Amino acid sequence: DVKVTQSSRYLVKRTGEKVFLECVQDMDHENMFWYRQDPGLGLRLIYFSYDVKMKEKGDIPEGYSVSREKKERFSLILESASTNQTSMYLCASSPTGGQLSGYTFGSGTRLTVV
Amino acid sequence: DAKTTQPNSMESNEEEPVHLPCNHSTISGTDYIHWYRQLPSQGPEYVIHGLTSNVNNRMASLAIAEDRKSSTLILHRATLRDAAVYYCILRNTDKLIFGTGTRLQVFP
Repeated sequence: DVKVTQSSRYLVKRTGEKVFLECVQDMDHENMFWYRQDPGLGLRLIYFSYDVKMKEKGDIPEGYSVSREKKERFSLILESASTNQTSMYLCASSPTGGQLSGYTFGSGTRLTVV
Repeated sequence: DAKTTQPNSMESNEEEPVHLPCNHSTISGTDYIHWYRQLPSQGPEYVIHGLTSNVNNRMASLAIAEDRKSSTLILHRATLRDAAVYYCILRNTDKLIFGTGTRLQVFP
């Protein structure tokens, strides 16, 4: 079964900490994405990547960065975590020509910043 | 990205068909219509997509209006496990932009 795996289901971090959220896919997909989901705001795109070492800003990139050193792995980095970054984070992947096929999502990481 | 409009919520009884509507009056010729659903405490799951013709798969059917300004996701026999938020999304690039979706409740 094809998979997108997020390294942690739940995380609790302190304000000001540097936080790494890891995502790995086993489908050899070119595209990978990070979203956050908040009640009343839905899913919002943070960053995405079309290829190794490539990244594009989504709708809400402020306070975040990403790293894609290998095709299968896409990391989301919170440089200095703040309480307003408490959220559910979802990683997804898709093949190129994604309008012709679906995304596969991970189960999410619920991050709490205290 | 063109917008979609969906009802906030819908209800159904188990084993009845469910028709989830979506309006997309500003759809362009290259936009594909995608549907995803999100079960509680899970990431979204791909359901179906189409361009102009109606589509069927093991999960659902997608009926697309002739002018493409609206579409309907059809669950032929709702089960309790179909209770989820259903998102209708237009895509012409590799990006997927979510709206607020329709929350479907299924009653036994």
